[in-house]
Amino acid sequence: AQSVTQLGSHVSVSEGALVLLRCNYSSSVPPYLFWYVQYPNQGLQLLLKYTSAATLVKGINGFEAEFKKSETSFHLTKPSAHMSDAAEYFCAVRGFQKLVFGTGTRLLVSP
Amino acid sequence: EADIYQTPRYLVIGTGKKITLECSQTMGHDKMYWYQQDPGMELHLIHYSYGVNSTEKGDLSSESTVSRIRTEHFPLTLESARPSHTSQYLCASSERGDSGNTIYFGEGSWLTVV
Repeated sequence: AQSVTQLGSHVSVSEGALVLLRCNYSSSVPPYLFWYVQYPNQGLQLLLKYTSAATLVKGINGFEAEFKKSETSFHLTKPSAHMSDAAEYFCAVRGFQKLVFGTGTRLLVSP
Repeated sequence: EADIYQTPRYLVIGTGKKITLECSQTMGHDKMYWYQQDPGMELHLIHYSYGVNSTEKGDLSSESTVSRIRTEHFPLTLESARPSHTSQYLCASSERGDSGNTIYFGEGSWLTVV
């Protein structure tokens, strides 16, 4: 069965600092991996996805993620945090007929 | 931009009442899903559908029921609401086929049962 683990329920950064949100996956087959963002009282918006093409995936709002099979990781990064990036971020792996989500990481951005 | 709509966005209802959360999508997607999310927690799949007249239960046991009479519509019903049903319910849809297809989410319905 597929699963993902997100390390750190909260990550705090200063505006302009590097954002790194960690996600490790477990999958018995080549995985399809996703990062979603959820702003308060909103649904989920797709940031980016990995579907076995390029290992470095670029998404919206300046985010990117690198698929590393040897480390079973799919960490999300952004070079310079903005106040508007404060939100909950979910890593997910495609399972049978569904997405399997991690527990989420809340990103806090301070001025 | 995903075109998937949920109503109501917020609902406060008394115990024992029947409620239906509406979900519609205009993308012609065959697959639709309902996820449940408690505040600050992960999402759990409670129902999904491959297409018209197809409904399946998800991983998380739920007392809710769903129907899929039309491709674009996937309502969720609670016959008798209880405080334990208080949660956010997220509807989603995707194209059939390749597992790399994006799942698009609605903005969610916040249900509070008092």
